[in-house]
Order: sequence, then structure tokens, then C-alpha cells
Amino acid sequence: GESVGLHLPTLSVQEGDNSIINCAYSNSASDYFIWYKQESGKGPQFIIDIRSNMDKRQGQRVTVLLNKTVKHLSLQIAATQPGDSAVYFCAESTGNQFYFGTGTSLTVIP
Amino acid sequence: SQTIHQWPATLVQPVGSPLSLECTVEGTSNPNLYWYRQAAGRGLQLLFYSVGIGQISSEVPQNLSASRPQDRQFILSSKKLLLSDSGFYLCAWSVLALSRDTQYFGPGTRLTVL
Repeated sequence: GESVGLHLPTLSVQEGDNSIINCAYSNSASDYFIWYKQESGKGPQFIIDIRSNMDKRQGQRVTVLLNKTVKHLSLQIAATQPGDSAVYFCAESTGNQFYFGTGTSLTVIP
Repeated sequence: SQTIHQWPATLVQPVGSPLSLECTVEGTSNPNLYWYRQAAGRGLQLLFYSVGIGQISSEVPQNLSASRPQDRQFILSSKKLLLSDSGFYLCAWSVLALSRDTQYFGPGTRLTVL
């Protein structure tokens, strides 16, 4: 079966610093990846996605990096703000399904 | 723009009681619809998906069922709830089916079975 995991379950950063959240995946055939942000008690919110024909994709204050060689995905948040505090998880697409990680809890310290 | 609604937001039900959770999508036609369950400390588990009215695929055998009576309405039901049915239920939609496309989630329903 598939496995999507996160290197760190919790991450605390100082406001204004950059945050890096990591995700490992196991299926080299996975070709589409999504990062979601989930605040407490709310549904996941789409942040950014990347397909396997790319190594990097940038959004507003966020960058996703894909390293297919080591099957690793990361989300970088620039100038982290208190509103960024949430659980972040990645989703990996293989075949017909997404496999979702359990998430990393990001806490921003003012 | 597209909007997805779920209700109720929270629900507390006794074991053995029936369940009906509703999801509606606005601003798009013929969406692909999904029901997920999110248990504490676990990733999202796909329960059902639908590519059209009356078309339901079940991913996990359980005492839950789903129906799609209208194009933008998706319902999750149970005749008799179990304690293990407690969790956070999420509805999602996408343009392309399954994992070919981004899935957008609703606000969720927190179900507690006592």
C-alpha cells in the first residue's frame, strides 16, 4: 500500500521567519501532489499543487519543492504569520486515489 | 466562484440512531463529489465518491451509505450508527474525477456517537 508521512509532527517558528514542512511518499509512480492547510475545526484548504514533471512551484508566500529521486515533498512558507498556524498535510495521487498524510502542526510564535 | 456547504456543522447522536449528512456545491455543474472521514491523528479516508447523479462508488465497507439525488447534492447516511462512526466528515468536489485534479473541501461535520 501507499504511505504518505511527515518528518515532524509539530513545528514552531517565530513570526517573520520562514517555515519548511516536509512530506515523504513511497510510490515513485505518484504524479500529482497537493498541500492543504487545515485550521482547527475547519475543512482543509487548498494551498498549492505540483505535478511530477516539475521540481518547484511558487505561489503567494509559498513554494513547493518536489524531489522525485528521494520521494520527498516540501512546503516553504515565507515570512510566517500568526494566521499561518494550522495543520499542514500533503496529498499524493497514485492511480485513482489520493493518499493523505496525517499532518504537521505549525505554531507561529508572535 | 464555487462554494461547498455541509450541514449540520456538529452532531451528537446515540448509538443505533440514523444519520443523514448533507453536502451541496454551488457555482459548478456536474462536479465529482466525495465523502471523507478524518479521525484524530489519521489521514483522510475516502468513503464514497460520485461522478454523476445516482452514481456512487464505495471505497470502504461499512454501515454507511451515500446518495446523489441531484447534480450538486451528496448525502451520507446510516441506518444505525456505531461508536466507531465518530469523526470529522468532509465533503469535497473536483472538476476531474478522482485524483486527476485538485479536490476542494467543505467545512466538515463533527459527528460524535455516544
